[in-house]
Amino acid sequence: GESVGLHLPTLSVQEGDNSIINCAYSNSASDYFIWYKQESGKGPQFIIDIRSNMDKRQGQRVTVLLNKTVKHLSLQIAATQPGDSAVYFCAEPTGFQKLVFGTGTRLLVSP
Amino acid sequence: EPEVTQTPSHQVTQMGQEVILRCVPISNHLYFYWYRQILGQKVEFLVSFYNNEISEKSEIFDDQFSVERPDGSNFTLKIRSTKLEDSAMYFCASSLGRPNTEAFFGQGTRLTVV
Repeated sequence: GESVGLHLPTLSVQEGDNSIINCAYSNSASDYFIWYKQESGKGPQFIIDIRSNMDKRQGQRVTVLLNKTVKHLSLQIAATQPGDSAVYFCAEPTGFQKLVFGTGTRLLVSP
Repeated sequence: EPEVTQTPSHQVTQMGQEVILRCVPISNHLYFYWYRQILGQKVEFLVSFYNNEISEKSEIFDDQFSVERPDGSNFTLKIRSTKLEDSAMYFCASSLGRPNTEAFFGQGTRLTVV
């Protein structure tokens, strides 16, 4: 079925720390995942995506890891900055490009 | 950088009234979407639109909702008779192609039904 969920509702880190945000999915046939960042009062913003033929993908300060065995993916943010404070969603396209979003993890970065 | 724009940013309407939320997708994109987010909840899919017709819709998207692409640039969501529970942020999104291509979201319209 369509189910993408997150483990923690809130993650608090210190500026400069590395952040890890986790996401679980239920459909073993899922082959593509996207991480979105949503700042207060704004729409979701694409961060990084990963296809199921990959275990890891790196962007600028962000890395996504995919573990298909346990149906889990994570978003790692290196050297977290105050500007990274936002809600992070994993999302999965299903059907005709419909995105199914998880409930989100709020990342709080303190200076 | 091209972006999806939505107007108005905030709409207040009385219960039972019709509202039209407007969106200008990115110009070369072919797929258009509406999502909504009730305060404090996750983003929920409403409808996708391609080639001038609805390609998929959720159970939320009942007969009170309709979408239209009246010209080559605008994409609208109409709610015919608003209910209190329609109060939410409504996001328009567009993508270049499918499958599995990045969807770009607008800043949203906050709809408040009183």
